[in-house]
Amino acid sequence: AQKVTQAQTEISVVEKEDVTLDCVYETRDTTYYLFWYKQPPSGELVFLIRRNSFDEQNEISGRYSWNFQKSTSSFNFTITASQVVDSAVYFCALSEAQGGSEKLVFGKGTKLTVNP
Amino acid sequence: NAGVTQTPKFQVLKTGQSMTLQCAQDMNHEYMSWYRQDPGMGLRLIHYSVGAGITDQGEVPNGYNVSRSTTEDFPLRLLSAAPSQTSVYFCASSYGIQNEQYFGPGTRLTVT
Repeated sequence: AQKVTQAQTEISVVEKEDVTLDCVYETRDTTYYLFWYKQPPSGELVFLIRRNSFDEQNEISGRYSWNFQKSTSSFNFTITASQVVDSAVYFCALSEAQGGSEKLVFGKGTKLTVNP
Repeated sequence: NAGVTQTPKFQVLKTGQSMTLQCAQDMNHEYMSWYRQDPGMGLRLIHYSVGAGITDQGEVPNGYNVSRSTTEDFPLRLLSAAPSQTSVYFCASSYGIQNEQYFGPGTRLTVT
C-alpha cells in the first residue's frame, strides 16, 4: 500500500534561512505521482508541484526547489531565503497509476514557522 | 468559475444527528474526493469518485456515505454523528488522480 512519511512535525527558522522539508514515500508501482501542497494559517490548500515517477529532474521555482530521488524514495522541498509568508503547513502526497487504486495519500504534514 | 464550493462553512451537531455536507465543482472534473483533517493526522481520504455513478471507499469511510449522481456534485452524508467525527472536511476535484487536486475551502464540523 502507498505511504508517505514526513518525519519533521514542526520546524522553526529565522527569516532568510534556508529550510528543507523531507518527504519519503513507499509504493509498489513503477508509475506514480508526487505532490506538494501548502496550507497557510488561513486554512486553504494550495497546490505547489506535481512530479511523475519518470521525471527525476529537480525543479526550481523562484525560492522553492524540489529534489526527487527514486533511489532513496524521497521528494524533498527546499525553501531558500525563507520569509514570514512561508509559514504554513506543508503536505507531501502520493498517487499511484496502476493496480486499480485511485487514491491520493497525504503525509501528516510539516508545520513551518518562519520568525522575523 | 467558482471552482470547488463547500457548504456549510461551519456546523455544530449533536451526537446521533445526521447531516449532509455539500460539495460542487464547475470545472467538469471527473474525479472528486472527500478528506478529513485532524490535528497531527494530515489529510485522510474518506470516499472518492472517478465519475458520475461510481464511488469507492478511502482510508476512513466508516460513518460516512456518498453518492455521485452528477459530475458536478459529490455530497458527503453523516448518518449518525459521533464526537469522533469532529474535524475539518475538505472536498477536492481534478481531472484524475494523477493531476493537481483543487480543494474547496473546507467545512469545520463539531459534534457534541
